[in-house]
Amino acid sequence: DIQMTQSPSTLSASVGDRVTITCRASQSVSSWLAWYQQKPGKAPKLLIYKASSLQSGVPSRFSGSGSGTEFTLTISSLQPDDFASYYCQQYNSYPFTFGPGTKVDIK
Amino acid sequence: QLQLQESGPGLVKPSETLSLTCTVSGGAISSSSSYWGWIRQPPGKGLEWIGHIYYSGSTYYNPSLKSRLIISVDTSKNQFSLNLSSVTAADTAVYFCTMATEYYSDYWGQGNLVTVSS
Repeated sequence: DIQMTQSPSTLSASVGDRVTITCRASQSVSSWLAWYQQKPGKAPKLLIYKASSLQSGVPSRFSGSGSGTEFTLTISSLQPDDFASYYCQQYNSYPFTFGPGTKVDIK
Repeated sequence: QLQLQESGPGLVKPSETLSLTCTVSGGAISSSSSYWGWIRQPPGKGLEWIGHIYYSGSTYYNPSLKSRLIISVDTSKNQFSLNLSSVTAADTAVYFCTMATEYYSDYWGQGNLVTVSS
């Protein structure tokens, strides 16, 4: 299985901050990587697919980059609605695997 | 707008079979070249991909669950189902049904908490 790691595990930030979350894969997943946002008690929401493609309806302050084994999710200006947990997922090979998550909380 | 809704018992006894159904509305399972799948999340923990079924019936399972798992689709009811046998407390989780247009999950159900306990 491809192992996914994320850093940091928790991130404290303020509204307006630029936030970057890193996701690493144990082997190359090409660009087959997605990012999800999850709020407590809710289902995850797709933000980014194919490493850098913005899902329809997702604000443009979210962006993704990377390929191979290292990826980043960037929020250009953190908004109150963005305090949540974020997960990366590789879908290059079965079984699809998720990173352990990054919780973004209020500083 | 496509919507998915899980249904099933919230409590299952150890060694029994966990059965969940996902009802799809706003679109037909058989008309979409998509993957219909399940993802779970133990309380307070991360996400685990369980498996999915292609609209044609082909299935792909997580090897860690494969020996206990069946995912099936009923196009007449516009539903797909999860059956996980011989459950233990480690199977306690919120189970989400999802639709994946191109392997990533772009539609999710709200989730169904299943607790395994006697």
